[in-house]
Amino acid sequence: EPEVTQTPSHQVTQMGQEVILRCVPISNHLYFYWYRQILGQKVEFLVSFYNNEISEKSEIFDDQFSVERPDGSNFTLKIRSTKLEDSAMYFCASSYGLAAIRFTYEQYFGPGTRLTVT
Amino acid sequence: EDKVVQSPLSLVVHEGDTVTLNCSYEVTNFRSLLWYKQEKKAPTFLFMLTSSGIEKKSGRLSSILDKKELSSILNITATQTGDSAIYLCAVEWTSGTYKYIFGTGTRLKVLA
Repeated sequence: EPEVTQTPSHQVTQMGQEVILRCVPISNHLYFYWYRQILGQKVEFLVSFYNNEISEKSEIFDDQFSVERPDGSNFTLKIRSTKLEDSAMYFCASSYGLAAIRFTYEQYFGPGTRLTVT
Repeated sequence: EDKVVQSPLSLVVHEGDTVTLNCSYEVTNFRSLLWYKQEKKAPTFLFMLTSSGIEKKSGRLSSILDKKELSSILNITATQTGDSAIYLCAVEWTSGTYKYIFGTGTRLKVLA
């Protein structure tokens, strides 16, 4: 069964450093998402991406964050200058369609990258 | 303020019990409500509900949406220890494009 993969599974970085979290969505999917979950808290939507551009972003997704699809398979989340409060589990998800195509809406989540900022 | 509230926050039951998890929401331009199961890491999709009153079933799990009451329930019958997880409710809403708000989840523990 196809699955979303994410690397690394755990990254520890120092405050102020740049990090890039990598995701490989399911190959025929068109919509890509990043979510984060701070330990013990709820899953929060960060951004959705379609057709090589951001289609929606939340208030959390400020200028420190960026996303990119550098080639046909990877989808990356970059945090320019990490802060302690960026420590969280970051989930990538992908779906074939969006709400207009209901039967293919289901989002598949990757296993997550645990980011620890020290 | 848009929000999704789940109850209870946590639940401990014995195998074979039936549980009902609740999700209520307040969003503008509601599109759909989704249920996920989160075990160790990533959420896995359970149901997507868009229409009121139509029950969706998958094995021992079922869910229904009530748009009038702005809520949904997730039922699990004959619970098993493998059902132990956090159950997340998320609401999709639109302001032109689509956003998602998650509830804090209900932590279910099923004892043998």
